[in-house]
Amino acid sequence: RKEVEQDPGPFNVPEGATVAFNCTYSNSASQSFFWYRQDCRKEPKLLMSVYSSGNEDGRFTAQLNRASQYISLLIRDSKLSDSATYLCVVNSESSGDKLTFGTGTRLAVRP
Amino acid sequence: GAVVSQHPSWVICKSGTSVKIECRSLDFQATTMFWYRQFPKQSLMLMATSNEGSKATYEQGVEKDKFLINHASLTLSTLTVTSAHPEDSSFYICSARSYGTSGYEQYFGPGTRLTVT
Repeated sequence: RKEVEQDPGPFNVPEGATVAFNCTYSNSASQSFFWYRQDCRKEPKLLMSVYSSGNEDGRFTAQLNRASQYISLLIRDSKLSDSATYLCVVNSESSGDKLTFGTGTRLAVRP
Repeated sequence: GAVVSQHPSWVICKSGTSVKIECRSLDFQATTMFWYRQFPKQSLMLMATSNEGSKATYEQGVEKDKFLINHASLTLSTLTVTSAHPEDSSFYICSARSYGTSGYEQYFGPGTRLTVT
């Protein structure tokens, strides 16, 4: 079983749509959680950290469910510029504070 | 945010030659840097963790004699792919870790695309 699992997509949505991505992780000792965004042939860039209480940054909302070992990202009012691959990333001290990446979920927003 | 640079951004080399990739933290000191590799449509896979002044720690399955890592200063780590083969063609990305107000944060370089012919 992969340490971090994501639906690879692609998700094809019209501008203005709301889209949600899910991610599960296998290491119950994981402590830090992130969503990164990666554009084609570019490096990953931190989109947002995910906190236990859930957090929001503009159109983006992240949720964490430790009991189910499940993380989500909600994007409201999708823009064309949101088209990218979204990576679920998990960090745990037991893995030496190393980031473990999911394979990513590809989002394509169409006009 | 902090800036990490990589050089070169892309390189084409012949099979059997060696290629060196540099990773620099431009505005902060990084005691730890990480080297990742990403094949098309796959996730980033950690190759090794590089600590300044000590030997790198390699992930399982990564040949330390083939992928030489040097972290001689707090702002520079290098990855040398020795005797490169076409299967080493990949996107190599480094990241540097710094300790900020909310704990450890990792910043990624722009990546180096290696093509071995």
